[in-house]
Amino acid sequence: QVQLVQSGAEVKKPGASVRISCKASGYNINSYGITWVRQAPGQGLEWVGWISNYNGNTNYAQRLQGRVTMTTDTSTNTAYMDLRSLRSDDTAIYYCGRGYGDYWGQGTLVTVSS
Amino acid sequence: EIVLTQSPGTQSLSPGERATLSCRASQSVSSNYLAWYQHKPGQPPRLLIYAASSRAPGIPDRFSGSGSGTDFTLTISRLEPEDFAFYYCQQYGNSPHTFGRGTKLEIK
Repeated sequence: QVQLVQSGAEVKKPGASVRISCKASGYNINSYGITWVRQAPGQGLEWVGWISNYNGNTNYAQRLQGRVTMTTDTSTNTAYMDLRSLRSDDTAIYYCGRGYGDYWGQGTLVTVSS
Repeated sequence: EIVLTQSPGTQSLSPGERATLSCRASQSVSSNYLAWYQHKPGQPPRLLIYAASSRAPGIPDRFSGSGSGTDFTLTISRLEPEDFAFYYCQQYGNSPHTFGRGTKLEIK
């Protein structure tokens, strides 16, 4: 069955970087794009970005442009999201989703605190 | 970017009642690429409806989506206890794939 398994919780200081992995099983990551969304404490869902399975093209939320990079590794069937220059308002649960969101990872809590 | 306005912000209903949730877009959603998600704390989002009116696999038929252009509706015909949660609409026809701010469906 289709599963997306994300890496574990992270605690980072402001200005640091974080990488979240999202390992797919039950399907080939080449077949669908990957969506990333996040939810900050007490807030709603926020779209972070998308990476295409066709050509690797990416679209990112404007407010994260320049700080976020999404990639996929077909050899390990894994997607990655890198977020740099972390700020306290990046504290959130980050989710990866298959395609436009029919399957989701369990979420990764990223806490940014000095 | 397309702004999605969901209403009401909170809806209080009883199990067995009908819920009607609204999502209005600031401009027409391309190809009616509008999805509805259910979200409960500590869980990933659950896709209910895609392309405005197509039910995702495994979703009970009490959930239905309708609308086109700028006005969309999610209807839950008879509320079950497990349906009380947050609901978000999202458009994925234009980048960025924006979400609405959500509707909290709570037990009356």
